[in-house]
Amino acid sequence: EDQVTQSPEALRLQEGESSSLNCSYTVSGLRGLFWYRQDPGKGPEFLFTLYSAGEEKEKERLKATLTKKESFLHITAPKPEDSATYLCAVQAEDSSYKLIFGSGTRLLVRP
Amino acid sequence: EAGVAQSPRYKIIEKRQSVAFWCNPISGHATLYWYQQILGQGPKLLIQFQNNGVVDDSQLPKDRFSAERLKGVDSTLKIQPAKLEDSAVYLCASSPANYGYTFGSGTRLTVV
Repeated sequence: EDQVTQSPEALRLQEGESSSLNCSYTVSGLRGLFWYRQDPGKGPEFLFTLYSAGEEKEKERLKATLTKKESFLHITAPKPEDSATYLCAVQAEDSSYKLIFGSGTRLLVRP
Repeated sequence: EAGVAQSPRYKIIEKRQSVAFWCNPISGHATLYWYQQILGQGPKLLIQFQNNGVVDDSQLPKDRFSAERLKGVDSTLKIQPAKLEDSAVYLCASSPANYGYTFGSGTRLTVV
């Protein structure tokens, strides 16, 4: 069964304190791994798609990496506005293009 | 471009009542999805439409949930009768093909 596990469940950082969020996955064949950001009361907002092991993508203070078993979302020198829930999702090759989500990591960045 | 529109934003109903949610996807997007997000969990797919045909409804509780997408554009999701465990945010998403999802802000349903 395709599955996504995210850790930690919650993370508190001081402004400027870099850290990483983990997404472990099991899938029959990976078509893509997605990272989303979700603010309270809003729908998930797309950040990155990664397709193959070794791939990396960056956007401002965020960098996503992918291996054959997990993905990391690195946050460099975070700011309070980076506070949100970060969701990881996988899309299997033999699926209907549906996304299977993890439960997310709630990030709080304190000033 | 305009985003995915959903209404209502909030709904409170009593158990055993019925409720309907509406979604207007981004213009031209052929694929439409309904996801259920229970508090503290990630979204879970309920149903996927390609134009006005159903692609995947394997996780839709068909004894109480129904969905339709008329003319391949707007979609409605209905719950009848509602149970306490249906309390969740119902998210609609659309994509031009089968990638690049854009989510709406969701409808928060509370069943009391």
